Amino acid sequence: SQTIHQWPATLVQPVGSPLSLECTVEGTSNPNLYWYRQAAGRGLQLLFYSVGIGQISSEVPQNLSASRPQDRQFILSSKKLLLSDSGFYLCAWSLLNQPQHFGDGTRLSIL
Amino acid sequence: GDSVTQMEGPVTLSEEAFLTINCTYTATGYPSLFWYVQYPGEGLQLLLKATKADDKGSNKGFEATYRKETTSFHLEKGSVQVSDSAVYFCALSDPENAGNMLTFGGGTRLMVKP
Repeated sequence: SQTIHQWPATLVQPVGSPLSLECTVEGTSNPNLYWYRQAAGRGLQLLFYSVGIGQISSEVPQNLSASRPQDRQFILSSKKLLLSDSGFYLCAWSLLNQPQHFGDGTRLSIL
Repeated sequence: GDSVTQMEGPVTLSEEAFLTINCTYTATGYPSLFWYVQYPGEGLQLLLKATKADDKGSNKGFEATYRKETTSFHLEKGSVQVSDSAVYFCALSDPENAGNMLTFGGGTRLMVKP
């Protein structure tokens, strides 16, 4: 069966520091991969999605970037975090025309 | 573009009460429809889905019927439990979209009191 792993589960970072969140999927090949952000008490905002290695689409302009160095690995990065980057970050995967499946999320707090 | 609207919460019910969370959508094509549930501090879990008109998705006592004529996908449960307390998201996916992206509603928080 397929599984998705996100880490770390929680992270506290100072303003201006770099960020790297990692997501890996097991048990499937060539999945679509997604990064979402959920602000406190709010809905989900799609940040990036990828349909293949090295293919990244950005949905909103922001301080973040994403990379897909391997088929089942999706990384969310920032060179300098802002206070507004705080939130709950969710990774998800899907196959074509199938539902998305989500990881457990990373709670990011910026101080 | 596509959009999903769901009732604002929080919805507060007593245990064993009947639950309805309304969801309506706007889409240009023939979307698939989903309900996801998010328990406190966790990611989203797929609760149920429907891929064509008049389909009924069901899981764990929850049901939702794809109503094309009213563009709705309301979530129902006959008797809620305290453990159902969570945030519920309605979402759609356009099968014409190569990225298989989801359009989410804003979420509805359900609180069930014993």
